[in-house]
Amino acid sequence: DIQMTQSPSSLSASVGDRVTITCRASQGISNYLAWYQQKPGKVPKLLIYAASTLQSGVPSRFSGSGSGTDFTLTISSLQPEDVATYYCQKYNSDLFTFGPGTKVDIK
Amino acid sequence: EVQLLESGGGLVQPGGSLRLSCAASGFIFSSYAMSWVRQAPGKGLEWVSAISGSAASAYYADSVKGRFTVSRDNSKNTLYLQMSSLRAEDTAVYYCAKGRGETSGCSNYWGQGTLVTVSS
Repeated sequence: DIQMTQSPSSLSASVGDRVTITCRASQGISNYLAWYQQKPGKVPKLLIYAASTLQSGVPSRFSGSGSGTDFTLTISSLQPEDVATYYCQKYNSDLFTFGPGTKVDIK
Repeated sequence: EVQLLESGGGLVQPGGSLRLSCAASGFIFSSYAMSWVRQAPGKGLEWVSAISGSAASAYYADSVKGRFTVSRDNSKNTLYLQMSSLRAEDTAVYYCAKGRGETSGCSNYWGQGTLVTVSS
């Protein structure tokens, strides 16, 4: 089975900082990679699919890149409302595994 | 407007069974894959199961294979998860989620979740 890892597991950054989260698949998954945001006490929200396509309504400060085994989620200018846990998910094949999550807060 | 409403959660003893339902509205239900995703208290998201729009294909995480069965009734716009041989580690909020396509495991809408507690 393909395993998904994320780094870092948590980070603290200042408002306006550029934040990058990495997701790695143990085998190639082409671009079948999604990113979700889950704010405390809330339901997960799809941010990016197909590794780099922004879901409708998501602010343009969020972007995704990568293909194969290595992917990144970038927040170009961190805002207070971006405090959340971010998960990657692979959705190729028949197991749609999530990464362990990256918790982002404000310094 | 897409709406997903889960029901059927509750307290069940280890070894017991429970059936979750997810009533969907606001989209052509039979055209989209549906997934179940769970989240144990204070933990991350865990994908549990998915079913294609036509119900021709169903997929399961290794942790629930052989114990859980996903199904759907496209005439009632409802998704189900039959859970049996429940264990303490199955305790979680269970979300149903709509796929982006007929077979997609990428979910663009989520329900509010229903809590399943497995305890004696």
